[in-house]
Amino acid sequence: ETGVTQTPRHLVMGMTNKKSLKCEQHLGHNAMYWYKQSAKKPLELMFVYSLEERVENNSVPSRFSPECPNSSHLFLHLHTLQPEDSALYLCASSQQTSFTGELFFGEGSRLTVL
Amino acid sequence: EDKVVQSPLSLVVHEGDTVTLNCSYEVTNFRSLLWYKQEKKAPTFLFMLTSSGIEKKSGRLSSILDKKELFSILNITATQTGDSAVYLCAVDLNTDKLIFGTGTRLQVFP
Repeated sequence: ETGVTQTPRHLVMGMTNKKSLKCEQHLGHNAMYWYKQSAKKPLELMFVYSLEERVENNSVPSRFSPECPNSSHLFLHLHTLQPEDSALYLCASSQQTSFTGELFFGEGSRLTVL
Repeated sequence: EDKVVQSPLSLVVHEGDTVTLNCSYEVTNFRSLLWYKQEKKAPTFLFMLTSSGIEKKSGRLSSILDKKELFSILNITATQTGDSAVYLCAVDLNTDKLIFGTGTRLQVFP
């Protein structure tokens, strides 16, 4: 148990669907992240939020839309995705964005786009 | 382009063996190097290295950084089946970004 909870754990959606991934951290951290992990590829940073403000958008297509209503919750809204977007989406948190320690990851949401 | 390269991509050993995992990097602005273990889904933190030549140790795991040659190694002695996992190396770029390698998949058989 890392203190970062992600739901749903598995999601299957069609290319025309709209769905959302949710992440909640119980660690009192100020920074939250979305990472994408595809088979045989490095973890790719998607978005970084610090104190609910987006500080990094790593050239992610607009079909992925993040939302951070407070420092404990992070969402990733998905719409009109492509099959190549199928991957494990990992949420993480840290004390602050200027790393002085480690990231704490959630268990991930396994997304399959049909 | 910043990059982190891990080798080998996969490794199969028997319990009791010692393994060495490698991580090399080419980045513009290095702050620290981190190792994570990913057993099923959530990567968990192992070590953070910032200075060359200083070994970090936790039980049977140890790691060291060489900032001159731009690499780090992760050693696991007397491996156990519970060490089976993907080991991820990441470099902190001092720009609120971690760049990850593709990982080394370690399988330990009884």
